[in-house]
Amino acid sequence: KAGVTQTPRYLIKTRGQQVTLSCSPISGHRSVSWYQQTPGQGLQFLFEYFSETQRNKGNFPGRFSGRQFSNSRSEMNVSTLELGDSALYLCASSVDRTETDTQYFGPGTRLTVL
Amino acid sequence: KQEVTQIPAALSVPEGENLVLNCSFTDSAIYNLQWFRQDPGKGLTSLLLIQSSQREQTSGRLNASLDKSSGRSTLYIAASQPGDSATYLCAVWSPKGGKLIFGQGTELSVKP
Repeated sequence: KAGVTQTPRYLIKTRGQQVTLSCSPISGHRSVSWYQQTPGQGLQFLFEYFSETQRNKGNFPGRFSGRQFSNSRSEMNVSTLELGDSALYLCASSVDRTETDTQYFGPGTRLTVL
Repeated sequence: KQEVTQIPAALSVPEGENLVLNCSFTDSAIYNLQWFRQDPGKGLTSLLLIQSSQREQTSGRLNASLDKSSGRSTLYIAASQPGDSATYLCAVWSPKGGKLIFGQGTELSVKP
């Protein structure tokens, strides 16, 4: 069974640009969550999508947005990039969000903002 | 507000040693707790999931325990190997906000 895949793996952008990251969950998984990982703040929750609907949202500015498609694939978009957006962005999928559901993470997208 | 703390932040041990990593959380109202492993620059690999009603889970040389009432979990690694070197993260799934809340991790180095 294929794992969670994320594309691209690496991105270099300049301040003010926008970026779109993609996540393909494990087949059969309908919940997709996004996390930002930085050395200073650790892993922080961005948002979660389930069946094309945003179910939960973390404390990030509106520049961070996402969506989920009917095949459960998800994208996140960051507009007007800032230096502080440089991070590893991780996507996780699970069947649903019950207490027995393990979260499986992808390899991440390393975003560098210059 | 749920907070997760991991102690120690870093640990270096000789190969073959048994070791314990600690995780504590402030709010006992959790659905489950997961332990992950992260290699440098890579994603997270799920090691063990303990449901709130369970006391422990085992997988190979790994054993994780959960004491919800005291807000503690431990990850026990038996007979450590250099390949176990990585950062270990614990995370609780909090029903308030529907998200995983992570500790800062313990960076483990196992020396040959």
